[in-house]
Amino acid sequence: KNQVEQSPQSLIILEGKNCTLQCNYTVSPFSNLRWYKQDTGRGPVSLTIMTFSENTKSNGRYTATLDADTKQSSLHITASQLSDSASYICVVIPFMNYGGSQGNLIFGKGTKLSVKP
Amino acid sequence: GAGVSQSPRYKVAKRGQDVALRCDPISGHVSLFWYQQALGQGPEFLTYFQNEAQLDKSGLPSDRFFAERPEGSVSTLKIQRTQQEDSAVYLCASSPDGQSSYEQYFGPGTRLTVT
Repeated sequence: KNQVEQSPQSLIILEGKNCTLQCNYTVSPFSNLRWYKQDTGRGPVSLTIMTFSENTKSNGRYTATLDADTKQSSLHITASQLSDSASYICVVIPFMNYGGSQGNLIFGKGTKLSVKP
Repeated sequence: GAGVSQSPRYKVAKRGQDVALRCDPISGHVSLFWYQQALGQGPEFLTYFQNEAQLDKSGLPSDRFFAERPEGSVSTLKIQRTQQEDSAVYLCASSPDGQSSYEQYFGPGTRLTVT
């Protein structure tokens, strides 16, 4: 079973509308949770990084939330633009025993967002 | 400044051939990661270096996959005797430090097609 599940798998919205993408994870303990945007044919670009103790983090029109009790995160996009069309990937970083350093990052499969004019 | 670069961007290999994929991380970045991304899927972790030390290679799918970073900067991912299931985009990422709070900066990837 995938340790990071994202929903929906794909989403189509009209330009200017808001949307919320979901991420459920089972990774525990974890160090931080990240949302990435990946345009077609390019590498992922970081949008937000939250530690396990943070509840929300904003980056312009992107707002991520984290509920460590329910192991859920969401990414809310406000006033969508055509350039928001991309895959959005949720990533959970396990807390490693050796000094908290990075190691095996666990990616969700992503939500493919299409913004139509 | 220059980001993470990867070469080649596209590689077509016949089944059974060996391939070598190169990653040039951001100058001074301590950590370097390799990921495999199948079509329509999220990236999957392959291996992780801190400087020249390979600290985690638990994601390498078989002993046909080998990665190195001999001088702690450029890294090469080598795949021997390629198989069709190796077809994927191989992403490299670097990070300033080994601490989990630092974000990773991804390269554009190398798309490998095995025919």
